[in-house]
Formats: sequence, C-alpha cells, structure tokens
Amino acid sequence: DAGVTQSPTHLIKTRGQQVTLRCSPKSGHDTVSWYQQALGQGPQFIFQYYEEEERQRGNFPDRFSGHQFPNYSSELNVNALLLGDSALYLCASSGTRISEQYFGPGTRLTVT
Amino acid sequence: KNQVEQSPQSLIILEGKNCTLQCNYTVSPFSNLRWYKQDTGRGPVSLTIMTFSENTKSNGRYTATLDADTKQSSLHITASQLSDSASYICVVTAVKGGSGTYKYIFGTGTRLKVLA
Repeated sequence: DAGVTQSPTHLIKTRGQQVTLRCSPKSGHDTVSWYQQALGQGPQFIFQYYEEEERQRGNFPDRFSGHQFPNYSSELNVNALLLGDSALYLCASSGTRISEQYFGPGTRLTVT
Repeated sequence: KNQVEQSPQSLIILEGKNCTLQCNYTVSPFSNLRWYKQDTGRGPVSLTIMTFSENTKSNGRYTATLDADTKQSSLHITASQLSDSASYICVVTAVKGGSGTYKYIFGTGTRLKVLA
C-alpha cells in the first residue's frame, strides 16, 4: 500500500499563474481533504471531497477549486496565484471510519 | 467556537530527557483526538488517536493522555532522541450529527528541538 501520494513534490510559479496539484488517496479511502500550511503555522483546511463533490469548505477564496475523480484521486487548482499562496499543500485521505486521516508528503508551492 | 490550543509553542530539550506537550480544546461534539508528528517540509504522521472513553494511549516512547472532562490532552515523550525534533500537532475531530460529516480542528503545534 503506497499510502497517500502527492505530485509534484515542489513547484515554482509566478504571480498570476495557475497551478494544479494532485493527490491519490490511500487504498480503501474515499474522502480527500486539502490543507494549506504556511511556514511555521498549522495546516488550514481548504476543502473536502467525497463522492466527487465538495462536501465541506474552509475560508478560502474561489480561486481555490478542486475536483475528485471516480477513482477517488483529487486535484487542487489555484488560479491567479498570489505571493501569499506560497505554502506546503497537504492532502489527507480518510475512509468510512472517521478516526482515519492519513496525510501525504505534501507539495511545496513557491510563488515568485 | 471550535478551537484547539497547544502549549508551549516551542521547546528545547537535551537528548535523553523527557518532555510533555499540552493540548486544550473546545470542540463539540467531540469524536476523537489525534497527535501527529510533522518533520519540517513533510506531511504529518499519526502518533496516537483517542476516543472519548480512552484515557491513555502509547506508541513506543510516545504516550498520550486524554481528560474528556477538562478537555485536555498531553503528549509525553520519554528518553528523547535527536529524531524527535519536529512539530507536534494536536487535531480534534468533531462530528456533525445528522449529516454524518466530520471536521478536523488543528492546533498550531509545538515545535520541539532535541539537542545532543
């Protein structure tokens, strides 16, 4: 079992550009959550996908959008990048047992 | 308001010493509390998870306690090692009754540094 995987590992973008981050959940998990973690801070919840729909959303602007595919993998899209979007983006998956939430290694996004 | 507070913010100890990290929460309805270890630039890794009825849970040198009455948890690290240097995050899960959905409330973490 590969656990939760994320790609790419690192990414450098310019202000105003768009970015797509990808996540594959742990085998057997059907729910994917995305978090933004600024340096030295705790993870901030962006949104959660279940059955290909956004089920919950944190306090993030519409520039942040996502998608979940039939195989439960997920994408996070960020449009019109700002310098403040530079962060570690974490994906976490969970299953029917709510006690499970496993994190991926993260994608480090740098916006210049 | 659902909130998780951790203390101290940072901690420096010598290798071989013990330490205790604190987590206070105001989360309702409470489902479980999990401690994560996060190395710099990496994803968090689960150490322990406790439900309402559990008072203590161990994972090697890590022992977590939970007092559901006072809404406090602690993570005790025994005989610290250099590899324990990391951030430790307390996460409380709240369940939204009828919908069956759940929400994870994160603390801001305690940054631990173990010195040789």
